[in-house]
Amino acid sequence: QVQLQESGPGLVKPSQTLSLTCTVSGGSISSGGYYWSWIRQHPGKGLEWIGYIYYSGSTYYNPSLKSRVTISVDTSKNQFSLKLSSVTAADTAVYYCAREHHTTIFGVVIIYYFDYWGQGTLVTVSS
Amino acid sequence: SSELTQDPAVSVALGQTVRITCQGDSLRSYYASWYQQKPGQAPVLVIYGKNNRPSGIPDRFSGSSSGNTASLTITGAQAEDEADYYCNSRDSSGNHRDVVFGGGTKLTVL
Repeated sequence: QVQLQESGPGLVKPSQTLSLTCTVSGGSISSGGYYWSWIRQHPGKGLEWIGYIYYSGSTYYNPSLKSRVTISVDTSKNQFSLKLSSVTAADTAVYYCAREHHTTIFGVVIIYYFDYWGQGTLVTVSS
Repeated sequence: SSELTQDPAVSVALGQTVRITCQGDSLRSYYASWYQQKPGQAPVLVIYGKNNRPSGIPDRFSGSSSGNTASLTITGAQAEDEADYYCNSRDSSGNHRDVVFGGGTKLTVL
């Protein structure tokens, strides 16, 4: 059973960099075939995708956050990490890491889904 | 980028059937996946693809799709089904790399 666990500071000061790590157990990031994502949820709001990384290190970010986001992977530790720079109160949210799986039909990917999620960690941006 | 649109709130009487819908152009290219989220908990995948349920999800949950609309149906809703439900797919406009979520539907079981 794959499990994901977020870790990192719960309080970050404005203008600083938010840093979180997701530790994966029960499966190897290096095995390939999955995209490892960060998703956040502002208090009382919906889900917002931040970005993902493949085990090879290739990344893709939400265009609305791209200028401030860096996602990296450490396959030796089976972890991937999020850095969000220049944070403001608007970045206060619960941050989730999740594994995105995909299914192909006749060689074409037509189903993407997040099959495993971390429990989420609340990050508050405040001085 | 493409969007997925959901009704903000839906209610259903205990034991009755309810359908939650998700609309968006990307659903013409990709099947939606559906997540249940209860207060203070992480989302849980309940339906993916044409109509696939992960292990442990009751068979009262089912999915369907037509054109640009995906639906999650709960047949015989239970009190424990009261939750927020989100749909998700990839954005089919542009390079198909963006992940999109619907705004969520709050389901109340009366």
